[in-house]
Amino acid sequence: DTGVSQDPRHKITKRGQNVTFRCDPISEHNRLYWYRQTLGQGPEFLTYFQNEAQLEKSRLLSDRFSAERPKGSFSTLEIQRTEQGDSAMYLCASSLADTSRGYNEQFFGPGTRLTVL
Amino acid sequence: GENVEQHPSTLSVQEGDSAVIKCTYSDSASNYFPWYKQELGKRPQLIIDIRSNVGEKKDQRIAVTLNKTAKHFSLHITETQPEDSAVYFCAAASYNTDKLIFGTGTRLQVFP
Repeated sequence: DTGVSQDPRHKITKRGQNVTFRCDPISEHNRLYWYRQTLGQGPEFLTYFQNEAQLEKSRLLSDRFSAERPKGSFSTLEIQRTEQGDSAMYLCASSLADTSRGYNEQFFGPGTRLTVL
Repeated sequence: GENVEQHPSTLSVQEGDSAVIKCTYSDSASNYFPWYKQELGKRPQLIIDIRSNVGEKKDQRIAVTLNKTAKHFSLHITETQPEDSAVYFCAAASYNTDKLIFGTGTRLQVFP
């Protein structure tokens, strides 16, 4: 499968624990995005990278959340001291930035479903 | 702030009928408007998109229209089939931010 992959697909944790998710984008894609989706809602933007640089971070993202893309390939999203309100599907997407086209399709991964007990 | 409103939240149609989903955006800098289909338990998948220099785009049974003055865009599905049943999300983005702002989704059910 050459699409966006995410690991793990499901994570159950207890409140207060730390969790880390991984996203592997499509290999030639230079942009990587994280979104969060709760039941019955559309995906909500969290942050995005161009290569290894984090270019934008949502104001909704508390300081318990941190994301990295150290070598410009895969990315990790860490949530510290999880709360029940963090329960959601965490989606990763990637795209190939091409200034000549103006905008480029974002391809989504299957998501990591987090349940905080 | 940036916001995308989507209506209706649910839509039920008979197979063969048309379905229309409407979205309104707030950020006048938005210039890219994709539509994603998400089946239960699966990832969102792009079905069609439109850029601000175009008023309408068609792809077989699917069409999207854009009214930049009114900040409205709509998805039209003709000759609906049961496999069209899914949740559909509209989104908006501007070239300088590159992030997608999604609507709240429309659950489409097509009855045979």
